[in-house]
Amino acid sequence: KNQVEQSPQSLIILEGKNCTLQCNYTVSPFSNLRWYKQDTGRGPVSLTIMTFSENTKSNGRYTATLDADTKQSSLHITASQLSDSASYICVVSDRGDMRFGAGTRLTVKP
Amino acid sequence: GAVVSQHPSRVICKSGTSVKIECRSLDFQATTMFWYRQFPKKSLMLMATSNEGSKATYEQGVEKDKFLINHASLTLSTLTVTSAHPEDSSFYICSAPPTGQKSNTQYFGPGTRLTVL
Repeated sequence: KNQVEQSPQSLIILEGKNCTLQCNYTVSPFSNLRWYKQDTGRGPVSLTIMTFSENTKSNGRYTATLDADTKQSSLHITASQLSDSASYICVVSDRGDMRFGAGTRLTVKP
Repeated sequence: GAVVSQHPSRVICKSGTSVKIECRSLDFQATTMFWYRQFPKKSLMLMATSNEGSKATYEQGVEKDKFLINHASLTLSTLTVTSAHPEDSSFYICSAPPTGQKSNTQYFGPGTRLTVL
């Protein structure tokens, strides 16, 4: 059973709209949680990294939240652009290994 | 920011041949590199951990004789897919944390698309 679950699997939104992607995990012990953006046919690019004590971290139009008590994270994208179309992957690290979520495929339409 | 490159970006080969994929850290040293494969619309699956100067560590179910890994220097790891078959067709990605930063920082290469005919 995957220890990192992402939802939704896919999402289609109109350009300019906001959206929120979810990541729930059972990885323990927890070291950090990262969100990556992966364009089709490319390697993942880091958006945010959060440790246990951090609740919110922003990177431009991307804002990640972390609730370590409920083991949930979200990635909020504001004012979406066509270039935001990609897969967004949640990765949770324990003290040594990284656990990958299956990703959310976001499509932004004009 | 740190850059990891992969070569080639895509390769098409005949069944039965071997293919070598290179992963280079361009502006930092990496004693450890990771190799992943990714199927369409699926997330990355860790195949093996490449260790400079020692044997690679393979994940369960990954054939070490099929996927040969050589970490020859602090900036280069290679993955060789031996006797490739169509089911080996996939997207292969490497990643590397700068030496001394095991899990906090991870830079991914752009990936290599392998198609075996």
